[in-house]
Amino acid sequence: QVQLMQSGAEVRMPGASLKVSCKASGYTFDSYYLYWVRQAPGQGLEWLGLISPGGGDTSFAQKFHDRVTMTSDPSTSTVYMGLSSLTSEDTAIYYCAKGVTGDRVDAFDVWGQGTMVTVSS
Amino acid sequence: EIVLTQSPGTLSLSPGARATLSCRASQSVSSNYLAWYQQKPGQAPRLLIYGASTRATGIPDRFSGSGSGTDFTLTISRLEPEDFAVYYCQQNVRSPLTFGQGTKVEVK
Repeated sequence: QVQLMQSGAEVRMPGASLKVSCKASGYTFDSYYLYWVRQAPGQGLEWLGLISPGGGDTSFAQKFHDRVTMTSDPSTSTVYMGLSSLTSEDTAIYYCAKGVTGDRVDAFDVWGQGTMVTVSS
Repeated sequence: EIVLTQSPGTLSLSPGARATLSCRASQSVSSNYLAWYQQKPGQAPRLLIYGASTRATGIPDRFSGSGSGTDFTLTISRLEPEDFAVYYCQQNVRSPLTFGQGTKVEVK
C-alpha cells in the first residue's frame, strides 16, 4: 500500500538545525509532488513547502524561506526537509504528505506518521 | 496569500445529527481547489474531499463538499461516533498553500 515513512523524533537546542526524512513506497515516486506541513502542540496545520520528486522544483512558505531546505533522492524515493536556526516556536510535529492528483499545487491524500521535533535548552 | 476562515470554531452535536461546516476564503478559490481534512487526536490528518466536492478514496458518502468562489461547505449527513474530530479546509489553488484554523465537532 502507499506509505510515507518518516524518521524518528528529534530533540534540538535553540539555534541548532535538523533534517527529517520521508521515504515513499507503494506508488510511482516520479509522478507526485511531496509536501511538508507542521503542527505545533494544540494548534492547527501550517504548510512549509513543496518539492518535486526529482528535486528540481521547490517552493517554500515565505515565513520559512530563509531557514528551510528540501531535497529529494529519487534513487531511494526519499525526500528530506531541513530547518535551521531553531527556536522553541519550531517545536511541532512535522508531516510529509503526497499530492492526490499529481499537480504541483495539490491536496494531500497520504500522510507520513509525523516526526515530533522538540526545541529546548 | 489566501486566508481561510472556518466557522463555527466548535460544533456540539449528537450522533445521528447533520453537521454543516463552513470555510470562507479571502480571495476566490478558482477551479474549486478546496480540500477538507479530518484529524483525530494523535493521528495525521485524513483527506476527505478535494476539488471542493470529490470524495477521496474510501471516504463514506455521508461526507459531502459543496461551494465555489469564496464560500465552501462540508456536510456530514448523519454523524457516526467516529466522526467526532477536528476538520480543516485547505486551498490548493496557489502557493502558499493555506489551511483554515479548524472546526471541532464534539459530542453534545
